[in-house]
Amino acid sequence: DQQVKQNSPSLSVQEGRISILNCDYTNSMFDYFLWYKKYPAEGPTFLISISSIKDKNEDGRFTVFLNKSAKHLSLHIVPSQPGDSAVYFCAAVGGFQKLVFGTGTRLLVSP
Amino acid sequence: EPEVTQTPSHQVTQMGQEVILRCVPISNHLYFYWYRQILGQKVEFLVSFYNNEISEKSEIFDDQFSVERPDGSNFTLKIRSTKLEDSAMYFCASSARTSGSSETQYFGPGTRLLVL
Repeated sequence: DQQVKQNSPSLSVQEGRISILNCDYTNSMFDYFLWYKKYPAEGPTFLISISSIKDKNEDGRFTVFLNKSAKHLSLHIVPSQPGDSAVYFCAAVGGFQKLVFGTGTRLLVSP
Repeated sequence: EPEVTQTPSHQVTQMGQEVILRCVPISNHLYFYWYRQILGQKVEFLVSFYNNEISEKSEIFDDQFSVERPDGSNFTLKIRSTKLEDSAMYFCASSARTSGSSETQYFGPGTRLLVL
């Protein structure tokens, strides 16, 4: 079941630059999308979300873009900081509020 | 800031034994969930719970699994007879869903279950 895909397992970015994490989905019934950040041995931490009625949502350094026709969303982090280094999961709400997660992208921000 | 808590942080058990994983959701939340993450794999939905009953469950959530809200604050996941493949990180989450909209789910720190 690959309804939510994150095709890049890892991404390396220099501090101060933009990080762009991508996510694709296949189920057109998904209507709400979230990004979570996760450190090893910890639970996912909510970052930002977007409803399917919007194409952009911004919160500080984090912006999520949604392209419904392409079934694609992306998370932009500007400027990137070393503390942003973690695994980032894209998730979509399917069924009765269950989250369908992608496989994650490991972001490394180097000083 | 309110947060979801889980106990224990680690649990080691023998195959065939029963385990109970405990969670305290955020106090004004109404919807509760369990997810798991097998090492190296993605986070998978197990079950959602609302108004003292299961709302949805995945194919993973078979008869060996059960959930309960025994009092006003705790939410538990019981595995009756553990198998080796139940070894995973188990996450509890909760949300304050309002009717007709999706709400953010907030996750606890997880319980690492190891079945020997």
